[in-house]
Formats: sequence, C-alpha cells, structure tokens
Amino acid sequence: SQQGEEDPQALSIQEGENATMNCSYKTSINNLQWYRQNSGRGLVHLILIRSNEREKHSGRLRVTLDTSKKSSSLLITASRAADTASYFCATSNSGGYQKVTFGTGTKLQVIP
Amino acid sequence: DVKVTQSSRYLVKRTGEKVFLECVQDMDHENMFWYRQDPGLGLRLIYFSYDVKMKEKGDIPEGYSVSREKKERFSLILESASTNQTSMYLCASSAGGPNYYEQYFGPGTRLTVT
Repeated sequence: SQQGEEDPQALSIQEGENATMNCSYKTSINNLQWYRQNSGRGLVHLILIRSNEREKHSGRLRVTLDTSKKSSSLLITASRAADTASYFCATSNSGGYQKVTFGTGTKLQVIP
Repeated sequence: DVKVTQSSRYLVKRTGEKVFLECVQDMDHENMFWYRQDPGLGLRLIYFSYDVKMKEKGDIPEGYSVSREKKERFSLILESASTNQTSMYLCASSAGGPNYYEQYFGPGTRLTVT
C-alpha cells in the first residue's frame, strides 16, 4: 500500500523560481526521504529527515517535516533547467529491515 | 563511487517465458530491493533481502521470486511472464543497521512482455 502521496502531481515553473512539493503520509514514521528521478533512470537520494527533526537543508534544498500533520515539503530554491525530474518522498517506520515505502511522485518541469 | 548495475536496460520477452533480472552492487550492502514502477502508481516493492539467502515479500510479490546466493547479487525471477508484468524494474541496495535508510538505485530495466 502506498504511504506517501505527493502534491502536486505535476509542476511547471520558470528557471530561477522556487519549487515546492508536498508529501502526506498515513502512519507514524521513523524518517522521511526525498529522491529525484531523471527521465527513465534510477532514483537518486536527496535528503533524509528524521522524525525528531523539523527542518533540514542541503544546498538549494530545504525539507520540512510536520509529524502532527503527517506531512513534509521539499523546497528547491532558484531552480535550474537541470532540476527537471520527478521527485518522490519515501517513508520508513520501525517495522524493520529499513523497508521504505515510496509515494507516487511530483513531476517538475523547469523552463529555461 | 557507489554503483548498482542491472543486467539489461531494455528487455522484450514473450508471454510464458521465464525471465531473469540481475542486480549487482559493489558497496558491500546488506539490504537489496526490487521495485516495479508504473505510471501513476509510483514505486512498489516486490521483494527485499537483508542478508544472503534471506528474503522478505514486499507489497506485490505475486508472480515473482528472488534469489540471493551472494551478498552483491540479487536476482528477480518471473516464473512465467505475463503482459501485466510489463513495467520498469528498479533494483536498489542499502547498508544494514538501524541508522541507514538511504537507498542506491540501479538504472532500471524496462521489460516488455508481448
């Protein structure tokens, strides 16, 4: 069963603008990750935020986590054409063996 | 540089054929995973393995089996391929232990069953 649901499903912005994607999940989690997938390729890990953290930064990425609302957001600042990709959130609970459940993804297009 | 490789990028098979998809990682990771990815459904976990010869069913194991005889290699087997198994198959690995969740993915195998 899918745990994470991303919103919006698709997003189109101009280069230089900020992009915000949201993820909502259903059950309590241990941590939440964001991954990027370029067209037709494998996923690449971007950032992990643990359940006791509220915000995390990595370069132009900013992730927030609100466990009371069971939601997370990924902000990409000053977007570039190379950021065009699909973005997935992935949740893990303490159910063992680092099992990760992926959402359905947000497709981001950055127009040069 | 970490690497997960998959045996084929594209594969075309006929209905009823036995299909082997192979995945190899060079990071000495304990955990390995097989997912399938379909439009609108995201990634769904088929099977995962946390040690050699160990396997656990994921969310959609029906019609699939797996084999892990060596730590670096995890194979996905479609016993009798069907058209509804046409999909993108992604392999991933991650380190063991309670603090490692980051998964490293291979490039994917796009399987078409005709």
